[in-house]
Amino acid sequence: DTGVSQNPRHKITKRGQNVTFRCDPISEHNRLYWYRQTLGQGPEFLTYFQNEAQLEKSRLLSDRFSAERPKGSFSTLEIQRTEQGDSAMYLCASSTRRGRPGNTIYFGEGSWLTVV
Amino acid sequence: AQRVTQPEKLLSVFKGAPVELKCNYSYSGSPELFWYVQYSRQRLQLLLRHISRESIKGFTADLNKGETSFHLKKPFAQEEDSAMYYCALKWPAGNKLTFGGGTRVLVKP
Repeated sequence: DTGVSQNPRHKITKRGQNVTFRCDPISEHNRLYWYRQTLGQGPEFLTYFQNEAQLEKSRLLSDRFSAERPKGSFSTLEIQRTEQGDSAMYLCASSTRRGRPGNTIYFGEGSWLTVV
Repeated sequence: AQRVTQPEKLLSVFKGAPVELKCNYSYSGSPELFWYVQYSRQRLQLLLRHISRESIKGFTADLNKGETSFHLKKPFAQEEDSAMYYCALKWPAGNKLTFGGGTRVLVKP
């Protein structure tokens, strides 16, 4: 499968601990996105990279959240001092720059976070 | 603010019956709209986009700017259409998507 890959797929952590998720986008996709999805809701945008540059961050991304894409390939999303409200599915997606309009955004399978 | 609304959380239809999933949006510019689908235990995937004016798996969706709607329709639902469906609006800058809350479709035999 050459789609967007995320790991770990599931993470259970105690409140106050730090967690990190990794996303490997589709090869040669220069745009990478992080979304969060809670039960019964659609995905909500968190942040977006073009190559290694983080170009936009949602207000949902508090100071405890940090995302990086150091070499413009894979990305990590770290949550520090986790809270129960952080429990959600964290989705990564990627797309190319060319071909607008109609640029398809491809999603990974997501990483489930449960904070206990 | 840009918003996408899917008023139905659940649609239950019998196989062979028509199905219509409603999507309304609020956006001040020229919208680009999509329908994404998530089958059980699978990732979110693109179903169709309004600019293509295509029919995918028998589904069609027409953008109605006057009513700010992008409803998804299929004349004869199949059991394999059972899934979560999300309507999404793309922002022109950055390519990010704003999603509706989703509609679960259950097609009964």
